[in-house]
Amino acid sequence: KAGVTQTPRYLIKTRGQQVTLSCSPISGHRSVSWYQQTPGQGLQFLFEYFSETQRNKGNFPGRFSGRQFSNSRSEMNVSTLELGDSALYLCASSPGQPEDEQYFGPGTRLTVT
Amino acid sequence: GENVEQHPSTLSVQEGDSAVIKCTYSDSASNYFPWYKQELGKGPQLIIDIRSNVGEKKDQRIAVTLNKTAKHFSLHITETQPEDSAVYFCAASGKSGGSYIPTFGRGTSLIVHP
Repeated sequence: KAGVTQTPRYLIKTRGQQVTLSCSPISGHRSVSWYQQTPGQGLQFLFEYFSETQRNKGNFPGRFSGRQFSNSRSEMNVSTLELGDSALYLCASSPGQPEDEQYFGPGTRLTVT
Repeated sequence: GENVEQHPSTLSVQEGDSAVIKCTYSDSASNYFPWYKQELGKGPQLIIDIRSNVGEKKDQRIAVTLNKTAKHFSLHITETQPEDSAVYFCAASGKSGGSYIPTFGRGTSLIVHP
């Protein structure tokens, strides 16, 4: 069974631009969660999508948004990029029940200059 | 909101020694406590978890203990091996909207010397 895939793996953007990251969950998984990982703030939860609906949201500004498609693939968008948005963005998928294990992808390394 | 403190930030041991990583949490409503291992260039991987109705759980060389009264939980790795070298994260989770939303500790870099 293929794991969680994220594209692109590396990205360099300029302050003020916007960016879209993609996540393909494990086949059959209906929940996709996004996390931001930085040396300063550690691992922080962004949001979770389940069956195309946002089920939970962390404490991030509205510049961070996401969506999920009918095939469970998910995208995350960050608008008006700031230097502080430089981070590793991880997505994780699970079947969708609270007891289910989350499987993480390798992440997208975003650098904002 | 939930706050998770994790110690130590770095742990260096000799192969064969035991390693212990400790975490404390603040929200008494948290009831699910997973531990993750993250190797360089990879996403975190769940290695063991414990729920609030259990005090201890063991899986081969790895064990986790939970003290709900004191709000702390610990990861114990016995007979460490060089391939155990990685960053380990604890998390405390409460159920929200049908899933568990984790708050992570800052991580412990475990180095196992051959």
